[in-house]
Amino acid sequence: EPEVTQTPSHQVTQMGQEVILRCVPISNHLYFYWYRQILGQKVEFLVSFYNNEISEKSEIFDDQFSVERPDGSNFTLKIRSTKLEDSAMYFCASREDRGDGYTFGSGTRLTVV
Amino acid sequence: AQKVTQAQTEISVVEKEDVTLDCVYETRDTTYYLFWYKQPPSGELVFLIRRNSFDEQNEISGRYSWNFQKSTSSFNFTITASQVVDSAVYFCALLHGSSNTGKLIFGQGTTLQVKP
Repeated sequence: EPEVTQTPSHQVTQMGQEVILRCVPISNHLYFYWYRQILGQKVEFLVSFYNNEISEKSEIFDDQFSVERPDGSNFTLKIRSTKLEDSAMYFCASREDRGDGYTFGSGTRLTVV
Repeated sequence: AQKVTQAQTEISVVEKEDVTLDCVYETRDTTYYLFWYKQPPSGELVFLIRRNSFDEQNEISGRYSWNFQKSTSSFNFTITASQVVDSAVYFCALLHGSSNTGKLIFGQGTTLQVKP
């Protein structure tokens, strides 16, 4: 069964450093997403990406965040200057078409120290 | 506004008991989708079921069953004869059917602990 692959599974970074989280969505999917889950809390939408541009972003997704699909296969989330409160599990997801079930990656646990 | 409420924060049962996890949603859309995900201690999100707003048939999959009632805006999940491996956080989620983004709105989650 096709999978969404996320790397790394766990990343530790110092406050103020830039971090890039990587995702390889399912190849024929058209919609791509990043979600965040702070420890013990619910999963929150960050951003959606369709047709090579952001289609929607949440209030959480401020100027410190950016997304890219640089080569038609990878989908990355960059945090320019990490803060302690960015520590969370970050999930990438992709979807083939409207209404189709999401496929989530296994997540990247980001720890900012 | 769209919202998903899982009023039960934590549930603890003894193995082989049946347990129902509640989910109530709010939306003004006529077309929408509802999901349940399981999050085991390892952290990944495991897809359990998707149901569209036009299909109110209840569904059963092994020990799992789902009761979708549009009249009460509820999509409850029942585990029959629970097992220790069912221990996890369970999330209900709502997807806006007509949105180009298709973002999921999650409930707060219900932590289920099944004791041996």
